[in-house]
Amino acid sequence: DGGITQSPKYLFRKEGQNVTLSCEQNLNHDAMYWYRQDPGQGLRLIYYSQIVNDFQKGDIAEGYSVSREKKESFPLTVTSAQKNPTAFYLCASSPKRGQGKLFFGSGTQLSVL
Amino acid sequence: GESVGLHLPTLSVQEGDNSIINCAYSNSASDYFIWYKQESGKGPQFIIDIRSNMDKRQGQRVTVLLNKTVKHLSLQIAATQPGDSAVYFCAETHLFTGGGNKLTFGTGTQLKVEL
Repeated sequence: DGGITQSPKYLFRKEGQNVTLSCEQNLNHDAMYWYRQDPGQGLRLIYYSQIVNDFQKGDIAEGYSVSREKKESFPLTVTSAQKNPTAFYLCASSPKRGQGKLFFGSGTQLSVL
Repeated sequence: GESVGLHLPTLSVQEGDNSIINCAYSNSASDYFIWYKQESGKGPQFIIDIRSNMDKRQGQRVTVLLNKTVKHLSLQIAATQPGDSAVYFCAETHLFTGGGNKLTFGTGTQLKVEL
């Protein structure tokens, strides 16, 4: 998947639990993104980061948090405030600011127990 | 073709036929467009892109057409193969006002290739 590794592939969350999805890239890309995909729908942007130690909310950031302490890593935490977390989560990166083309990881399927 | 509704449009074609997948975009300021292919349980894979200063761009077995007047984008796949079966998404952005890192995706079209 183009040097972007997401883990785990499947994740289960209990009620009231926070879970963290991992995303690592070895492409030396500046920008990284998290998207959420629900069945039969397109991708919706949760958070994105264009440089280390900086990130911005996307269209559906409520109930999620991120950090960008290293260029190659952009973990996403799904908090207990996210009441409908079941979805397919996709991480992506792009080479530089203003570069529209994104490269995607293989995704994490999150389900609620 | 694509729609912004909740139902995933489906296009069924016979193996060897040409496929045309359509996408209507909403932002007249968008100047960069991408087509992605997504197989079940996997991340989207880049197919082809086009900038707004072009009307047509060709790749290997694929052609993207852009009609800015009616804000319409299409993906043509020649000699469709079983491996082309997937969901296809169009995405748009405006590169030169800081929007270049925020792609807006369409709902997607499911392409089914019949043998």
